[in-house]
Amino acid sequence: QQPVQSPQAVILREGEDAVINCSSSKALYSVHWYRQKHGEAPVFLMILLKGGEQKGHDKISASFNEKKQQSSLYLTASQLSYSGTYFCGTVSFYNQGGKLIFGQGTELSVKP
Amino acid sequence: DTGVSQDPRHKITKRGQNVTFRCDPISEHNRLYWYRQTLGQGPEFLTYFQNEAQLEKSRLLSDRFSAERPKGSFSTLEIQRTEQGDSAMYLCASSLGQGEYEQYFGPGTRLTVT
Repeated sequence: QQPVQSPQAVILREGEDAVINCSSSKALYSVHWYRQKHGEAPVFLMILLKGGEQKGHDKISASFNEKKQQSSLYLTASQLSYSGTYFCGTVSFYNQGGKLIFGQGTELSVKP
Repeated sequence: DTGVSQDPRHKITKRGQNVTFRCDPISEHNRLYWYRQTLGQGPEFLTYFQNEAQLEKSRLLSDRFSAERPKGSFSTLEIQRTEQGDSAMYLCASSLGQGEYEQYFGPGTRLTVT
């Protein structure tokens, strides 16, 4: 089953923060975050494995709560380049073969 | 390492024709995945390979779709007797292993069936 992302869309001013959530009804092994710009391929941002770890680089970080089967992506001090559609892709605990099941996406627009 | 490449980037075909797409993964990656993406949706899993073995195929994939990965290097995805509903972006991704490894996507092949 497809994970559910929220919000569906968000508009920010440059420098503002945003949180994107990804929630699954299945036990998860890993959560992968991607950003996709219009007409381009998804670009890998980060991967989180079960264990409740938090990762981050630059001003983008993410957390994974395996008990709640949820992950959140945090974007701080947003830049114009952050605009795009963000997808979470999940790997089920019981099918660790690696196929990703993607959410429906969150469209992020950063305005000057 | 030049990343994942796909060919062609765009394909326009008439309904009923057969089409074939090619994907060249990152050279040391043994896993190769095919996804399909339609406008406004996230990528949808189609099938994946470990080396030359096709390990899983989506139940949503009709018999008109077939994929191969001879010698565990490049992969091809063929669609026979195309239908208008096949119009989509076909994405290929590769990774070093299972779910703990990141997948890197190619630029995609955009298929338009007229």
